[in-house]
Amino acid sequence: DAGVIQSPRHEVTEMGQEVTLRCKPISGHDYLFWYRQTMMRGLELLIYFNNNVPIDDSGMPEDRFSAKMPNASFSTLKIQPSEPRDSAVYFCASCHRVSTQYFGPGTRLTVL
Amino acid sequence: GNSVTQMEGPVTLSEEAFLTINCTYTATGYPSLFWYVQYPGEGLQLLLKATKADDKGSNKGFEATYRKETTSFHLEKGSVQVSDSAVYFCAVSSGGSYIPTFGRGTSLIVHP
Repeated sequence: DAGVIQSPRHEVTEMGQEVTLRCKPISGHDYLFWYRQTMMRGLELLIYFNNNVPIDDSGMPEDRFSAKMPNASFSTLKIQPSEPRDSAVYFCASCHRVSTQYFGPGTRLTVL
Repeated sequence: GNSVTQMEGPVTLSEEAFLTINCTYTATGYPSLFWYVQYPGEGLQLLLKATKADDKGSNKGFEATYRKETTSFHLEKGSVQVSDSAVYFCAVSSGGSYIPTFGRGTSLIVHP
């Protein structure tokens, strides 16, 4: 199994630009999670999906952030417009029936 | 809601030293407890888990015992190696959603 796949691995953009992060979960997993990791705030759960439906987006910091899961094998996290304080490592994770989570390698986002 | 408190790092040890990383939790119902490890530049991966009181999780020489009376799940290893240098996250899940709540993480640095 290829594991959870995230792209890009690194993204550098300028303030005000739109950023789209992508995730392919492990096949057969019915839960998908988006996390943000920073030194200041640690690991934060942004949103999670069950069977492609968003269940809890209370962790999404503001309306500039949005996430979609159009099918069982793909999800996106979009930031528009991006700001320097959005700089972080963003992780996608998936699991089956809320068991052990499997994390992707992360996308390191730098907003200048 | 659930919460996890971990000792702050970094923890710096010499190779072959004994390791303890403290973790205490608050949770409703009958929680499951986890330790995840994050190696540099990678996502989190499950190290071990325990699902009921007095269970001991173990993997790669690491152990942790689910202590309900003290609400603790301390991580231990008898002899650390340089390759154990990583960030260790304690997590708890319970309740209807079983979505894990992560601690802030503890950085471990092992010197030769």
